[in-house]
Amino acid sequence: GIQVEQSPPDLILQEGANSTLRCNFSDSVNNLQWFHQNPWGQLINLFYIPSGTKQNGRLSATTVATERYSLLYISSSQTTDSGVYFCAVRSNFGNENLTFGTGTRLTIIP
Amino acid sequence: GAGVSQSPSNKVTEKGKDVELRCDPISGHTALYWYRQSLGQGLEFLIYFQGNSAPDKSGLPSDRFSAERTGGSVSTLTIQRTQQEDSAVYLCASSRGLAGEYFGPGTRLTVT
Repeated sequence: GIQVEQSPPDLILQEGANSTLRCNFSDSVNNLQWFHQNPWGQLINLFYIPSGTKQNGRLSATTVATERYSLLYISSSQTTDSGVYFCAVRSNFGNENLTFGTGTRLTIIP
Repeated sequence: GAGVSQSPSNKVTEKGKDVELRCDPISGHTALYWYRQSLGQGLEFLIYFQGNSAPDKSGLPSDRFSAERTGGSVSTLTIQRTQQEDSAVYLCASSRGLAGEYFGPGTRLTVT
């Protein structure tokens, strides 16, 4: 099946810093989503972005489908941005479910 | 409702007992998914419904796991004869077509 790799696995930043999280995937996809899992375990949709660029406030994401990667940018980090960020994809040739990466754990220090 | 809801939020059960977990998807969402997340891990796919049928059960870890969906809405995941390795957070998601999946808050299952 499709493989999804995220980097870095852990990231510790000072409040106010910017960060870039990366997601590489091994096959063509018809769905790519970024999620933030907060400390209470809730998965929050950030972006549905199988291709192109989107922005939402301090967050933006870019997916280059032909090169099989996606980037999530967080600017002016806040402590509430802490948590685990997951990339998940649905392959064009596989099952209907999302395949998740192992996540990036982001810790923002005040 | 406005989002996906799941019940119970927490369940503690003794090894060997059966448990039922419930998911109410977003109204109008035809696709429904069950995943589970073990402590500190990513999400593992269990089963997918399109309407009331389950074209993909490939992720169910054993025949102790089953799920059904009725009326194209509510789904129940049943685990029979629970084992300690079944302890995890069970997450339900729904979507419409190929658009994004929206997740519920999960049920934390602890098997003692």
